[in-house]
Amino acid sequence: DQQVKQNSPSLSVQEGRISILNCDYTNSMFDYFLWYKKYPAEGPTFLISISSIKDKNEDGRFTVFLNKSAKHLSLHIVPSQPGDSAVYFCAASLISSGSARQLTFGSGTQLTVLP
Amino acid sequence: DGGITQSPKYLFRKEGQNVTLSCEQNLNHDAMYWYRQDPGQGLRLIYYSQIVNDFQKGDIAEGYSVSREKKESFPLTVTSAQKNPTAFYLCASSIRGGNSPLHFGNGTRLTVT
Repeated sequence: DQQVKQNSPSLSVQEGRISILNCDYTNSMFDYFLWYKKYPAEGPTFLISISSIKDKNEDGRFTVFLNKSAKHLSLHIVPSQPGDSAVYFCAASLISSGSARQLTFGSGTQLTVLP
Repeated sequence: DGGITQSPKYLFRKEGQNVTLSCEQNLNHDAMYWYRQDPGQGLRLIYYSQIVNDFQKGDIAEGYSVSREKKESFPLTVTSAQKNPTAFYLCASSIRGGNSPLHFGNGTRLTVT
């Protein structure tokens, strides 16, 4: 059973507009969430994260929103640029003090930003 | 430059052969991980290691083995017992504990025919 779901396999957005990528989770024990960006034949690169004690975290053009009651998080990219075209994975984790962090990943959303 | 090196980038093997994927990091991270990515799926955890000489099974460990003899190295062996070995394999590392993100290598694409 998938604990982290990205229901949209793909999203196309015009350059300069806002991209909104969505992610839902089922395990209410998750308390740390991350977004990764991945280009073909490369490893994912960390983009932005949010702890469950917050509902928003912003870093430049990227903002992550967390709605704990709905078990939903979203990544907003504004303005979108062609270089943002990639697969975006959301991931969730349990706090585990002193031990390796185990992330559960969604299946990814392919974002295409059209010039 | 600090980072994670996975080699080779592409690997081809015949069915029934064991194959070992290399992962080296110079980030001085305690924890290391192996993930597998299949088309249309998220990354799934195979094995992870919190510290030298210690490792734990992830969600899909069957048919795989690992070792952690050095802090910098975490090789993954795909054995002949793995039923669907063709996949993109990703190694990652992180600071142990706390809210630190995983840093990934560029992956090895393994094709078994």
